[in-house]
Amino acid sequence: AQKITQTQPGMFVQEKEAVTLDCTYDTSDPSYGLFWYKQPSSGEMIFLIYQGSYDQQNATEGRYSLNFQKARKSANLVISASQLGDSAMYFCAMKKGYSSASKIIFGSGTRLSIRP
Amino acid sequence: GAVVSQHPSWVICKSGTSVKIECRSLDFQATTMFWYRQFPKQSLMLMATSNEGSKATYEQGVEKDKFLINHASLTLSTLTVTSAHPEDSSFYICRVTSGDNEQFFGPGTRLTVL
Repeated sequence: AQKITQTQPGMFVQEKEAVTLDCTYDTSDPSYGLFWYKQPSSGEMIFLIYQGSYDQQNATEGRYSLNFQKARKSANLVISASQLGDSAMYFCAMKKGYSSASKIIFGSGTRLSIRP
Repeated sequence: GAVVSQHPSWVICKSGTSVKIECRSLDFQATTMFWYRQFPKQSLMLMATSNEGSKATYEQGVEKDKFLINHASLTLSTLTVTSAHPEDSSFYICRVTSGDNEQFFGPGTRLTVL
């Protein structure tokens, strides 16, 4: 069975510092995708970054990068130069395979708070 | 602009009533729609997967007779919470995928049952 684990319920970071949000996963499927989403207090799910299991390089999107350690089954999100607007819940998620009909399961989330 | 809409964005109802939540894809045809539920300070839990014209597939522990899903067209799926009770109060979010594997979340519907 697939499983996503986020071990940090909450984190406090000083503005402009970099922050790493941890995520480990468990799956026996060779094909899968890993996602990170941001959920502000409004509730909307904002897509941040995606990593496919066969991607050779770590994904990057602006200030977001995904530290993909396949052998360790970890997919940590790194946010560089944090901003006050980064305060939100962050969810790591995994999708089995690449089909549009594949389910996405979510980790328990990490609440990130940025201090001015 | 938004590519997936949900209506209503919030609803308050009395216990025992039924509530219908709509999820629409605005500019594309949705091959698959997923319904999630999120209780306060918790993660998103998948409730069911629906494809146009076929019965929804429910996750274990989700009552299909209580949470009725209708996917009548390629742009619309509805979730009806029948005989709602306070424990059904939650944030309901749909996720929609297109044929070219793009995926989008709706903005969510906050249901409060008194």
